Amino acid sequence: NAGVTQTPKFQVLKTGQSMTLQCAQDMNHNSMYWYRQDPGMGLRLIYYSASEGTTDKGEVPNGYNVSRLNKREFSLRLESAAPSQTSVYFCASSLSGVYSYEQYFGPGTRLTVT
Amino acid sequence: QQPVQSPQAVILREGEDAVINCSSSKALYSVHWYRQKHGEAPVFLMILLKGGEQKGHEKISASFNEKKQQSSLYLTASQLSYSGTYFCGTGSPNAGNNRKLIWGLGTSLAVNP
Repeated sequence: NAGVTQTPKFQVLKTGQSMTLQCAQDMNHNSMYWYRQDPGMGLRLIYYSASEGTTDKGEVPNGYNVSRLNKREFSLRLESAAPSQTSVYFCASSLSGVYSYEQYFGPGTRLTVT
Repeated sequence: QQPVQSPQAVILREGEDAVINCSSSKALYSVHWYRQKHGEAPVFLMILLKGGEQKGHEKISASFNEKKQQSSLYLTASQLSYSGTYFCGTGSPNAGNNRKLIWGLGTSLAVNP
């Protein structure tokens, strides 16, 4: 099993450009999450999907959109990148029930917006 | 709303013990503990649930005081591999349909030979 995979691993964008971060899991998990991690800020939830066909906003959703393409895949889109979106982005997945089950994290995407 | 972790940083010699605390101002249903090594993704350690259920790492222990709304992670006989940043994530029972973990800022642990 590959677990949670993310592409790309590194990306540099110019202000105003758009891009999509891809995430896929092969553990048959229902729930998937997108986090951003900034130095000294810990993990902040951007969006999550409790199950296929549903998405909900997290703490910091502004400037992002998501698509739960199917049970395996959950993508994060930046429509018009800003320097404030420079961060490390982690995708994670878990069985149903965010409180009761461990989250498995992907390796992360390191995004720089200039 | 964000849980407070203490200490912010700790340095140990191999074989020493450490306790990392996570405190919340809100009632808690669950506390998750994860460890993250530099440049890597967070890795699951423990889940503690209201009512006493625990899931997780055999060699790491933790406690959950529901009344005090806090959890402690106990690292005994530390090994070099324990180095990293430890995060707690807390879940509140009053979130309704908006259930999500709120994460602390982390505790940096360095274990030296």
